[in-house]
Amino acid sequence: AQKITQTQPGMFVQEKEAVTLDCTYDTSDQSYGLFWYKQPSSGEMIFLIYQGSYDEQNATEGRYSLNFQKARKSANLVISASQLGDSAMYFCAMRLYTGANSKLTFGKGITLSVRP
Amino acid sequence: DAGVIQSPRHEVTEMGQEVTLRCKPISGHDYLFWYRQTMMRGLELLIYFNNNVPIDDSGMPEDRFSAKMPNASFSTLKIQPSEPRDSAVYFCASSPSQPGLPNTGELFFGEGSRLTVL
Repeated sequence: AQKITQTQPGMFVQEKEAVTLDCTYDTSDQSYGLFWYKQPSSGEMIFLIYQGSYDEQNATEGRYSLNFQKARKSANLVISASQLGDSAMYFCAMRLYTGANSKLTFGKGITLSVRP
Repeated sequence: DAGVIQSPRHEVTEMGQEVTLRCKPISGHDYLFWYRQTMMRGLELLIYFNNNVPIDDSGMPEDRFSAKMPNASFSTLKIQPSEPRDSAVYFCASSPSQPGLPNTGELFFGEGSRLTVL
């Protein structure tokens, strides 16, 4: 079984500041991938960043970085230098790569609002 | 390259009617997923296919829902009969095979089909 937990209520951040969005996961499998997606008010799902379970370094993509702590089973997203366009819903997700199981499960999401 | 294409984008129907949602995955992708998104339940995986074969349909809510993938370039999600509680945004997504550089196994999403059942 796989489970993703995002428990933060709506998050607020001042423009140009950094913000961390929390994500914890639960699986007994060793091979998996962790993803973050952004969903703006327009509704599309935008892939942001990926971290493989065997990756030793934290993933980075531009202003996005993933703080991966395997022992704690956490995969927090850090957005640096927030912009107004970052206001959106953010989803953490996990995909297993074990045998026939390859489904991707999402957390409930976190709403981020960036204040000018 | 074209992304994942879903149709219709919006559908309004009356309770009891049959609804068919369509999806064309990205060419070459081996996996196809159907998700449903509501405010109350978030993003739920309904079913996913690998090489046109259904692998896990445990998320399909009940027998009123069915999904098919007759070939690598087309899938349908059918609801018959539809009920007001089926109102949601339905996403189709596809991904390539098991990850390996440069693939990360990410899912590529369509724009969604917004279903309203009156």
